[in-house]
Amino acid sequence: DAGVTQSPTHLIKTRGQQVTLRCSPKSGHDTVSWYQQALGQGPQFIFQYYEEEERQRGNFPDRFSGHQFPNYSSELNVNALLLGDSALYLCASSLVAGVNTGELFFGEGSRLTVL
Amino acid sequence: AQSVTQLGSHVSVSEGALVLLRCNYSSSVPPYLFWYVQYPNQGLQLLLKYTSAATLVKGINGFEAEFKKSETSFHLTKPSAHMSDAAEYFCAVSRNYGGATNKLIFGTGTLLAVQP
Repeated sequence: DAGVTQSPTHLIKTRGQQVTLRCSPKSGHDTVSWYQQALGQGPQFIFQYYEEEERQRGNFPDRFSGHQFPNYSSELNVNALLLGDSALYLCASSLVAGVNTGELFFGEGSRLTVL
Repeated sequence: AQSVTQLGSHVSVSEGALVLLRCNYSSSVPPYLFWYVQYPNQGLQLLLKYTSAATLVKGINGFEAEFKKSETSFHLTKPSAHMSDAAEYFCAVSRNYGGATNKLIFGTGTLLAVQP
């Protein structure tokens, strides 16, 4: 049973560029959440998708957008990249009820470096 | 607003010694509390969770945590450290919305080193 898979694992972009990160949830999961983990910090909630809609959003600007597809996979898009966007981006999946009890399953993340 | 504070960004113990990682929370409503572990170059893995049942929660790998409402604490302990316990540990809180979607708020993490 495959867990949460994310791609790419590492990428380097320059300021002003755009990036798309991808996530396939654990088999049977219907909810995807995205977190940003800056170096030396805890993960910070970006947003959550369920039934192809953004259900909840953290304190991130509109440059951060996402999408969920009918197969429950998800994308995170970041436009107009800033140096401060350099971080590990974590995708977590769950069943919608599991979100309430913290039963999140995390992928290994996509490490974004902005130069 | 909810938050968690982890005291001690770095903790070092000897192999076989007690592990104690501290977490204090702030929440205006009964919280759900969690400990996650992150090994190098990996995602986060759930160690244990408190969801308003028993106040002493047992998790994987011999870890446990006790919810103390009077102290607003949820400290993580393990009686005897293993070299394999070396990792970063995150305390997190979420709010019981009773069926609605939710999010986790993480602390800044504690890096545990285990010395031979």
